Amino acid sequence: RKEVEQDPGPFNVPEGATVAFNCTYSNSASQSFFWYRQDCRKEPKLLMSVYSSGNEDGRFTAQLNRASQYISLLIRDSKLSDSATYLCVGGYTASKLTFGTGTRLQVTL
Amino acid sequence: DAEITQSPRHKITETGRQVTLACHQTWNHNNMFWYRQDLGHGLRLIHYSYGVQDTNKGEVSDGYSVSRSNTEDLPLTLESAASSQTSVYFCASSPRTSGHNEQFFGPGTRLTVL
Repeated sequence: RKEVEQDPGPFNVPEGATVAFNCTYSNSASQSFFWYRQDCRKEPKLLMSVYSSGNEDGRFTAQLNRASQYISLLIRDSKLSDSATYLCVGGYTASKLTFGTGTRLQVTL
Repeated sequence: DAEITQSPRHKITETGRQVTLACHQTWNHNNMFWYRQDLGHGLRLIHYSYGVQDTNKGEVSDGYSVSRSNTEDLPLTLESAASSQTSVYFCASSPRTSGHNEQFFGPGTRLTVL
């Protein structure tokens, strides 16, 4: 079983829609969680950290459910520019950040 | 502005040749990492370093080596390039080893081994 698992998608949504991604992790000792965004053929960029109490950054909301070992990312009012691959990341030390294979989002007109 | 750079951005080499990929960061981060990214595998850790003279193996370290002689640089060397090492390589750095230890990535090097 992979340490971090994501639905690869693609998720095709119209502009303005709300879309949610889930990600499960297998290591219960994981302490740090992140969502990264990766555009085609470019480097991953930190989108947001995920805190136990949940956190919001503009149109993006991240939540952590330790009991069920999953994290989620909610994107409201999707924009064309949100089209990208979203990487779920978990870990408990800097050497053990484990990246999911990514969920692809395509926002259409 | 502080940044992390990689060179070359694209490289084509032949099987058996030694190749070195450069990574340079100006954030003064102690922690640096090398990953490779392949379809279906996501990012996989090759080597990492927590500071000068410190290097550690990641999950896919066979055929690769690194050295850390200063804070800014962590070059990745492929001792004898193989076709299986054709991939996109990303360097990253992080200011922390615990807590919210987010990593920041360089632009990547696309390596083709013929």
